[in-house]
Amino acid sequence: GESVGLHLPTLSVQEGDNSIINCAYSNSASDYFIWYKQESGKGPQFIIDIRSNMDKRQGQRVTVLLNKTVKHLSLQIAATQPGDSAVYFCAVPMDSSYKLIFGSGTRLLVRP
Amino acid sequence: DAGVIQSPRHEVTEMGQEVTLRCKPISGHDYLFWYRQTMMRGLELLIYFNNNVPIDDSGMPEDRFSAKMPNASFSTLKIQPSEPRDSAVYFCASSLDRDLEAFFGQGTRLTVV
Repeated sequence: GESVGLHLPTLSVQEGDNSIINCAYSNSASDYFIWYKQESGKGPQFIIDIRSNMDKRQGQRVTVLLNKTVKHLSLQIAATQPGDSAVYFCAVPMDSSYKLIFGSGTRLLVRP
Repeated sequence: DAGVIQSPRHEVTEMGQEVTLRCKPISGHDYLFWYRQTMMRGLELLIYFNNNVPIDDSGMPEDRFSAKMPNASFSTLKIQPSEPRDSAVYFCASSLDRDLEAFFGQGTRLTVV
């Protein structure tokens, strides 16, 4: 089955520094990966996604890296801002269904 | 579009009572999902619909839980009878066709006492 895990439950960074949030997955057949951001009291918000035919995808201040060899993906946030403080989840569809398996989440704290 | 709209935002009820959570998906989205979030189990998919038809309800914890989607703009998640362990935040999400980017509502925080 699919399992998704995060390496660190909490990440504290200085404002302006870069943040890296990691995620491991177990199903080597997974072909689609999503990062969500959840602020306190709100629902998860889509940040960026990547398909398995890519190793890297960039958005606005965010980059997702996919290493299929070790089944690992990461979310990089450049110049972290206070507004980036939230819990970040990676999510992977189970098999070919729409069952998204969410990781346990990493809480990002941005120090002023 | 106002996004996915859920109601109520907060619900406190007594054990044994019936609880109904409501969701209005984004117009034009063919997929609707119900999730439950707890500290212990994280985000879990309960059920999802495609074009108003339930496709996979294997995440529904017990027969006490039921979900309906009578039309493309409305869905309900009902718990009858409710129990304290049902206390959680319930999210509704919707997405376009094959695009797996799901848009989540603000959630309903349910407390069963």
